[in-house]
Amino acid sequence: QQQVKQSPQSLIVQKGGISIINCAYENTAFDYFPWYQQFPGKGPALLIAIRPDVSEKKEGRFTISFNKSAKQFSLHIMDSQPGDSATYFCAASIDTGTASKLTFGTGTRLQVTL
Amino acid sequence: DADVTQTPRNRITKTGKRIMLECSQTKGHDRMYWYRQDPGLGLRLIYYSFDVKDINKGEISDGYSVSRQAQAKFSLSLESAIPNQTALYFCATSDFRASELFFGSGTQLSVL
Repeated sequence: QQQVKQSPQSLIVQKGGISIINCAYENTAFDYFPWYQQFPGKGPALLIAIRPDVSEKKEGRFTISFNKSAKQFSLHIMDSQPGDSATYFCAASIDTGTASKLTFGTGTRLQVTL
Repeated sequence: DADVTQTPRNRITKTGKRIMLECSQTKGHDRMYWYRQDPGLGLRLIYYSFDVKDINKGEISDGYSVSRQAQAKFSLSLESAIPNQTALYFCATSDFRASELFFGSGTQLSVL
């Protein structure tokens, strides 16, 4: 049973555009929602994370929008750059103090073109 | 030097062979994990360990075993490899009561 559904599977955006990746979850007990970024040949690395007590978190060009009632959260990359080309994974966790509880989405491969 | 080191980076083996993937870390974290990444399936947890004497199964542990030789070392074994175990394998670590995972660079395993 897939607990975190991620879309789209792949995304092509022009340089300077906005990249949007969406995730939906089913378990209302989830209380921590991170995004991981993975470059080719590397392991994923934490990009940004949000907890359900806020609706938005911004770090530079990266923003998480969180809709608790709809059980959805999304990653927005403003002014997308070729260096943002990577695979992005959303995730969700029940226990914020235990990384073993993380459930990952299926990933989105982002390509930013010139 | 990488904080989480996986060896080998690439491995090709044949069906039925035993294979071990190794992971070592210099982050000083107590918790270590093995994940498997498949296209379209994301990252799935195979096993995790909270300390040297603690081993726990993840969601896809069948066909795999692990050994925590020391705080800094965690190995994954495939006792009798099969083709559907062809995947990219990641080791990760985390600190006590922390949610962030720190991943190694992965081992690409192909079982022919």
